[in-house]
Amino acid sequence: GQNIDQPTEMTATEGAIVQINCTYQTSGFNGLFWYQQHAGEAPTFLSYNVLDGLEEKGRFSSFLSRSKGYSYLLLKELQMKDSASYLCAVMDSNYQLIWGAGTKLIIKP
Amino acid sequence: GAVVSQHPSWVICKSGTSVKIECRSLDFQATTMFWYRQFPKQSLMLMATSNEGSKATYEQGVEKDKFLINHASLTLSTLTVTSAHPEDSSFYICSARVSDRERVNEQFFGPGTRLTVL
Repeated sequence: GQNIDQPTEMTATEGAIVQINCTYQTSGFNGLFWYQQHAGEAPTFLSYNVLDGLEEKGRFSSFLSRSKGYSYLLLKELQMKDSASYLCAVMDSNYQLIWGAGTKLIIKP
Repeated sequence: GAVVSQHPSWVICKSGTSVKIECRSLDFQATTMFWYRQFPKQSLMLMATSNEGSKATYEQGVEKDKFLINHASLTLSTLTVTSAHPEDSSFYICSARVSDRERVNEQFFGPGTRLTVL
């Protein structure tokens, strides 16, 4: 079966760094996505990785290792507005997105 | 670019009525649109994949006669919840897939529609 695992909840301090991990097992791989979702809102796109390595975009970076079925989202210089759920999703061989359950990130002052 | 709109943002209806939700890609053409449902504190659940000009592909467990999907043009897909019941109350989100050189396979989400069935 297809499976995406990520922690349910994480807590971090304003100004700090946090890493949200995602492991996956899917039938085929056409890229891994990270989305941010604030409560009551639709997800917004953060990053897309299809090749191994680190993609940096401002305070957010995303890493992929296809051989390990592993990705992480790194958030630096955390701000209170970063409190949200972070969704990991993998596009399988049929170009369907398989979604993780999301990681709720709580930022404390 | 790549903006997706949804209408209405929220709707309250009586049990037994039908509700139509529209999803529009405003500045691009979307051959494929997706309809998701999300219950509180849960992840997105794909309901169906909608391809322009053809019948939607429904996920297992989703009743196609209850959730009618029409994708009549490259910029518009509609989801109609027929004979809605309280258990259909949820957050319905559409997304449209962009497939061009710069944003291969990227999905952009609409703002969602919160449906409450009394």
